[in-house]
Amino acid sequence: AQKVTQAQTEISVVEKEDVTLDCVYETRDTTYYLFWYKQPPSGELVFLIRRNSFDEQNEISGRYSWNFQKSTSSFNFTITASQVVDSAVYFCALSESEPGTYKYIFGTGTRLKVLA
Amino acid sequence: EPEVTQTPSHQVTQMGQEVILRCVPISNHLYFYWYRQILGQKVEFLVSFYNNEISEKSEIFDDQFSVERPDGSNFTLKIRSTKLEDSAMYFCASEGLAGPSYNEQFFGPGTRLTVL
Repeated sequence: AQKVTQAQTEISVVEKEDVTLDCVYETRDTTYYLFWYKQPPSGELVFLIRRNSFDEQNEISGRYSWNFQKSTSSFNFTITASQVVDSAVYFCALSESEPGTYKYIFGTGTRLKVLA
Repeated sequence: EPEVTQTPSHQVTQMGQEVILRCVPISNHLYFYWYRQILGQKVEFLVSFYNNEISEKSEIFDDQFSVERPDGSNFTLKIRSTKLEDSAMYFCASEGLAGPSYNEQFFGPGTRLTVL
């Protein structure tokens, strides 16, 4: 069965610190997609990244980076030099391979508080 | 850039009343989804819809819920007799068939439903 675990319920850091948000997933499929979304206090879901199971390259986008490790079924997200505007709830999600047939399974989210 | 829109942004209703939440997916997308997020909890899949029929639904999506694509642009979620526990943010999402956004769902801004 599909499952996404975000063990960190809430993290508080001081501005400019680096922070890593953990995501561990379970799936029986060999082809799947992983996602990270940001949910600011306004409530919308902001897409951050999509990674497919065949692409294990780490990705960097500005202050954001993602570490995908199939061996440990993890897809962790690091924010470098955090800023107050990074304060939000971050969700990791998993989708199996068939479009339109398979839903996204979300983790429970990690609330990040960046203090000035 | 095309986006998914949802109306209304906030709906307040009395318990037992029917509500219809509306979504306009991205125009060339073929797969449509509804998700629910109870305040402070994770985003949960409700239903997926393709080719004018439900392709998958969760246990949450019971007989009180229905979905419809009444015309070429709208996608609606109807709750026949609302309960207090239906209070949540409801997200619509749509997904294309191919191209760079393959297997990526585009989420609307959400409708916050409050049942009194």
